[in-house]
Amino acid sequence: DAGITQSPRHKVTETGTPVTLRCHQTENHRYMYWYRQDPGHGLRLIHYSYGVKDTDKGEVSDGYSVSRSKTEDFLLTLESATSSQTSVYFCAISESASGGASGANVLTFGAGSRLTVL
Amino acid sequence: LAKTTQPISMDSYEGQEVNITCSHNNIATNDYITWYQQFPSQGPRFIIQGYKTKVTNEVASLFIPADRKSSTLSLPRVSLSDTAVYYCLVGVPNAGKSTFGDGTTLTVKP
Repeated sequence: DAGITQSPRHKVTETGTPVTLRCHQTENHRYMYWYRQDPGHGLRLIHYSYGVKDTDKGEVSDGYSVSRSKTEDFLLTLESATSSQTSVYFCAISESASGGASGANVLTFGAGSRLTVL
Repeated sequence: LAKTTQPISMDSYEGQEVNITCSHNNIATNDYITWYQQFPSQGPRFIIQGYKTKVTNEVASLFIPADRKSSTLSLPRVSLSDTAVYYCLVGVPNAGKSTFGDGTTLTVKP
């Protein structure tokens, strides 16, 4: 599974508290992603990173920030959690599916972090 | 971003071939089509990827017509263990430009 570890795997918190989810990878992949998964919405990209200190927004980035101070770690922070951020969060890395062809990268996902905001 | 549409659910029986179609009318020239499988409490797992025509690997085939506005994942001779949610992804993940469909729940019955 490309050595992807997400922590915590489960968290319950209260509205207004800060929350940080961690994604750790062991294979030196350049690209890392945070997705959220909600019933009826599939997976939606929150933020992604294309290198240390290089990040960009996805389609549902409002209310989230990320940081990547070293290659192996990609952190997702909810500065002030809201009930609408109750979700399952998946980290992913991407790697080539066919020997380096541009645009042919595929995603490998972590096991997910289930966050409940009360 | 390409908008993707998949059937919400499908039922099948063991040993049958299953075809799941994804519609992506506004697919861009550089977009690839990738399918993933997800079991409960796990992250999605890569099945197959293609750009045009037909691609086959050890577990599935992917059919993409010339206009690329749809794609069909074909699972030959399904078993109970193929019961899962299947997602199509259209785009280029490394550019932050990709969209997942909402997923198709496949239920395989004995």
